[in-house]
Amino acid sequence: GEDVEQSLFLSVREGDSSVINCTYTDSSSTYLYWYKQEPGAGLQLLTYIFSNMDMKQDQRLTVLLNKKDKHLSLRIADTQTGDSAIYFCAEDGSARQLTFGSGTQLTVLP
Amino acid sequence: KAGVTQTPRYLIKTRGQQVTLSCSPISGHRSVSWYQQTPGQGLQFLFEYFSETQRNKGNFPGRFSGRQFSNSRSEMNVSTLELGDSALYLCASREENYEQYFGPGTRLTVT
Repeated sequence: GEDVEQSLFLSVREGDSSVINCTYTDSSSTYLYWYKQEPGAGLQLLTYIFSNMDMKQDQRLTVLLNKKDKHLSLRIADTQTGDSAIYFCAEDGSARQLTFGSGTQLTVLP
Repeated sequence: KAGVTQTPRYLIKTRGQQVTLSCSPISGHRSVSWYQQTPGQGLQFLFEYFSETQRNKGNFPGRFSGRQFSNSRSEMNVSTLELGDSALYLCASREENYEQYFGPGTRLTVT
């Protein structure tokens, strides 16, 4: 069945780059997403990538997709304290529903 | 455009009661999906509606139901509430075959 996996925690220093990794299983996914969730809030769509793309850059965010290995990563350049949050990877598979990873808690240290 | 809105934002109910949550999608979006978020199970898909028809359903008991109106607004209902139904319920909308946008969620607490 569909499964999305992420590491649970990541700590970085302010100003450094953060890289959050994700693996997925549904090769029929059309979109792969990154969402951000701050405490007590809903999910904010950060960025997404079409399955026929290898890379997408959007200001400080870079998404890399390796379809062969079913591996997705999100790089945040010049990480700030306001980037501290939980980041979810999600795939939009054949069942027309999003399957989410368990989320990566990003902590930015001053 | 205004984002996805959900009402109420917070709700406290007692076991055995029922509850109705409301979602207004982004203007022009006809697909509305509902998700449940709990610390133990994470984010799980409940159902999706498109043009007033349920197109897809997740693995939840029949106590969870929903509907969509002609203006694309959607409601979900949970009957005979259990303690385990305490969760953040998130609604998402999308144009057909485009990216999904989520609302702020409704925090349901069952006591």
